[in-house]
Amino acid sequence: GDSVTQMEGPVTLSEEAFLTINCTYTATGYPSLFWYVQYPGEGLQLLLKATKADDKGSNKGFEATYRKETTSFHLEKGSVQVSDSAVYFCALSTDSNYQLIWGAGTKLIIKP
Amino acid sequence: EPEVTQTPSHQVTQMGQEVILRCVPISNHLYFYWYRQILGQKVEFLVSFYNNEISEKSEIFDDQFSVERPDGSNFTLKIRSTKLEDSAMYFCASMGDGYQPQHFGDGTRLSIL
Repeated sequence: GDSVTQMEGPVTLSEEAFLTINCTYTATGYPSLFWYVQYPGEGLQLLLKATKADDKGSNKGFEATYRKETTSFHLEKGSVQVSDSAVYFCALSTDSNYQLIWGAGTKLIIKP
Repeated sequence: EPEVTQTPSHQVTQMGQEVILRCVPISNHLYFYWYRQILGQKVEFLVSFYNNEISEKSEIFDDQFSVERPDGSNFTLKIRSTKLEDSAMYFCASMGDGYQPQHFGDGTRLSIL
């Protein structure tokens, strides 16, 4: 079945460091790909999305490119801030029903 | 910006009791979902609802679970006889159409004693 694999956390970085959180997927068909973020004590917020190969999603300085050849959707940010500390979830949905299939989540800790 | 709202934010219930989790989706949305997240684990799909009926459900969504959209605005998840392992954060989501992302509520933390 369809699945999403994320790098395990926690990932601990210093402020202004470069961030990469790896995400790979397995899916039949052509999924849409998403990154959601969960700040401490809050719900799930959409961070960015991409719906077809080579699309780049971007928001708040974060970017991810839909790579069909490597079945990946890695999240990157050039310079992280303390306020980026959160849990980041990679997810996919397919045309049937659009339910989201989730990765395990990666906790990001940014130290000042 | 329109939001999905969920109530209550925290529910504590004795094992074996019925519980109803409530959600108000975004008003013009057509697709509705429930997910759960057991502490420390990944988010899991429970059920989707479209055109006034369940469109898909996971193997987690057994006979103890049911969903309703009783009045065209609320979307409820009922667990008939709760078990300890039902303790989790439950998220409601809604979506306008297949080209839009799902919007989530802040979740209901369900604790079964």
